[in-house]
Amino acid sequence: GNSVTQMEGPVTLSEEAFLTINCTYTATGYPSLFWYVQYPGEGLQLLLKATKADDKGSNKGFEATYRKETTSFHLEKGSVQVSDSAVYFCALSVRETSGSRLTFGEGTQLTVNP
Amino acid sequence: DADVTQTPRNRITKTGKRIMLECSQTKGHDRMYWYRQDPGLGLRLIYYSFDVKDINKGEISDGYSVSRQAQAKFSLSLESAIPNQTALYFCATSDSTSGVLGEQFFGPGTRLTVL
Repeated sequence: GNSVTQMEGPVTLSEEAFLTINCTYTATGYPSLFWYVQYPGEGLQLLLKATKADDKGSNKGFEATYRKETTSFHLEKGSVQVSDSAVYFCALSVRETSGSRLTFGEGTQLTVNP
Repeated sequence: DADVTQTPRNRITKTGKRIMLECSQTKGHDRMYWYRQDPGLGLRLIYYSFDVKDINKGEISDGYSVSRQAQAKFSLSLESAIPNQTALYFCATSDSTSGVLGEQFFGPGTRLTVL
């Protein structure tokens, strides 16, 4: 089946620190990969995506590269801000006969202190 | 106005009560989903609907039922609520004609507490 594993949290950083959140996956087909972000009190929103091997998704200073050989999609940001404090979810989607569904990781809580 | 709305936003109820959570969307998407979020478990799919006449069970459908009243409305019911159904519930939508496989749009969530 399909599954996503994220690094355990919570993660606490100081402002301007470098961020890495690890994500690995298993999939029965060729997945598309996503990072979703959940800000406090809100629903999830798409942060970035990659649909094929070696693609790099990027948005708001965050990046993640689709690594098929290591089945990974690690999220990185060079300099985090207090406003980046949120829960981050790695997810995958595989096209099925009747459509596609998302499989989510456990989520990683990030807190950035001033 | 929000594209995906959920009502109520918060609800406290007692064991054994019937509860309905409602979701409406103005995005014109054909696909809708219900998830629950528990700490440390991420989001788990309860039910999903790819069009008005299509309802499918997700990974944790026991104890839940759904109704797709129209393309824009998808309701989740707990026929007899129990405490371990205390969670944050999210509705989401997606567009089958979109080229972005798997991109979903989420509502703000309903926090349900079962005492």
